[in-house]
Amino acid sequence: KNQVEQSPQSLIILEGKNCTLQCNYTVSPFSNLRWYKQDTGRGPVSLTIMTFSENTKSNGRYTATLDADTKQSSLHITASQLSDSASYICVVSAVWGSQGNLIFGKGTKLSVKP
Amino acid sequence: NAGVTQTPKFQVLKTGQSMTLQCAQDMNHEYMSWYRQDPGMGLRLIHYSVGAGITDQGEVPNGYNVSRSTTEDFPLRLLSAAPSQTSVYFCASSRPSGEQYFGPGTRLTVT
Repeated sequence: KNQVEQSPQSLIILEGKNCTLQCNYTVSPFSNLRWYKQDTGRGPVSLTIMTFSENTKSNGRYTATLDADTKQSSLHITASQLSDSASYICVVSAVWGSQGNLIFGKGTKLSVKP
Repeated sequence: NAGVTQTPKFQVLKTGQSMTLQCAQDMNHEYMSWYRQDPGMGLRLIHYSVGAGITDQGEVPNGYNVSRSTTEDFPLRLLSAAPSQTSVYFCASSRPSGEQYFGPGTRLTVT
């Protein structure tokens, strides 16, 4: 069964600290992996999209890594800010370009405290 | 560009009532989708469309209908609302190989 598991479920860190969120998947065949940020009460916003051949991708202070062999991805946040408080969702696509094959994780809720 | 817009933002329905959630995008995206998000669960796909006149079911389609008569609009209809449909609904659009853009969501309560 195609699944996306994220850990931890929730995380509290102090402002300025780094953190890493994990995503493990069993989706097959694999096409791409996406990370979204969802602020409370708002829709998700795309951070990165990674294909099979990409193992690192950055978007400002956000760096995503992908190991297609072990089917693991991580999202590293550097020098966290209060505005990073949000849920981070990992999504894996089984078929390129198809919206019917996006498998969503349940998200990691990050709280950044001053 | 307004991106993806959804109306209404909030709605309260009584069991058995019907309504339509509106979704529109101005980015000329081919793909549009409807999701529901419930506490403790990931986003679940209700219906999606790969172009005007083409729709397909997602993971949780029961109790919902969609149509896609134009590229811009993708309304979601609740036929006979049930308490189990209390949720936050998100519409999204994208190009076939591009990132998804989500709307701000509609918070629906069915009593």
